[in-house]
Amino acid sequence: DAGVIQSPRHEVTEMGQEVTLRCKPISGHDYLFWYRQTMMRGLELLIYFNNNVPIDDSGMPEDRFSAKMPNASFSTLKIQPSEPRDSAVYFCASYGTGLMNTEAFFGQGTRLTVV
Amino acid sequence: GQSLEQPSEVTAVEGAIVQINCTYQTSGFYGLSWYQQHDGGAPTFLSYNALDGLEETGRFSSFLSRSDSYGYLLLQELQMKDSASYFCAVRDSTNAGKSTFGDGTTLTVKP
Repeated sequence: DAGVIQSPRHEVTEMGQEVTLRCKPISGHDYLFWYRQTMMRGLELLIYFNNNVPIDDSGMPEDRFSAKMPNASFSTLKIQPSEPRDSAVYFCASYGTGLMNTEAFFGQGTRLTVV
Repeated sequence: GQSLEQPSEVTAVEGAIVQINCTYQTSGFYGLSWYQQHDGGAPTFLSYNALDGLEETGRFSSFLSRSDSYGYLLLQELQMKDSASYFCAVRDSTNAGKSTFGDGTTLTVKP
């Protein structure tokens, strides 16, 4: 497996524009997480899915953020409209359930810059 | 909710041993993980402890004391490439899918 795949790797957009980040988890993993990382706030959990169903979105900062997982192999995180304070690295991670599955596999991240 | 505390920075020399501590407060504890992140890279998994005791993986070991809500990552025979950020993360027993990360410890290894 190629691991967790995120796209794009880098995104520069103007304030007010819509941004869509994409993630393909490892096949067979039934948990998918979206994290945001900044110097000020560290690694924050935004939302996570189990079997394509959103379980906890309490970390989503505001209504401008939304996430979907239409099937087991694809998820999106959308910001609309984007603001400069949304600039961060966004990571997607996945792992399977069960006592033996203790490792979260992270994608390479999307570095978002909103100007 | 969950909160984790770990030192923000640690400096050591090549060949030395360093210990990075992590204390946590959690409403439900399932296990403690450690991740390494190099500048510009993704976090990568190092180890996981669900039970008390020491887990050893090569130069890295991780320890957990559930009664003390405390764990540490031990790095031996430090190498320059070990310079990175190290995060502890707690998995929530009330919902085993959820992990909360600490703020990370930046380790600088000097020659």
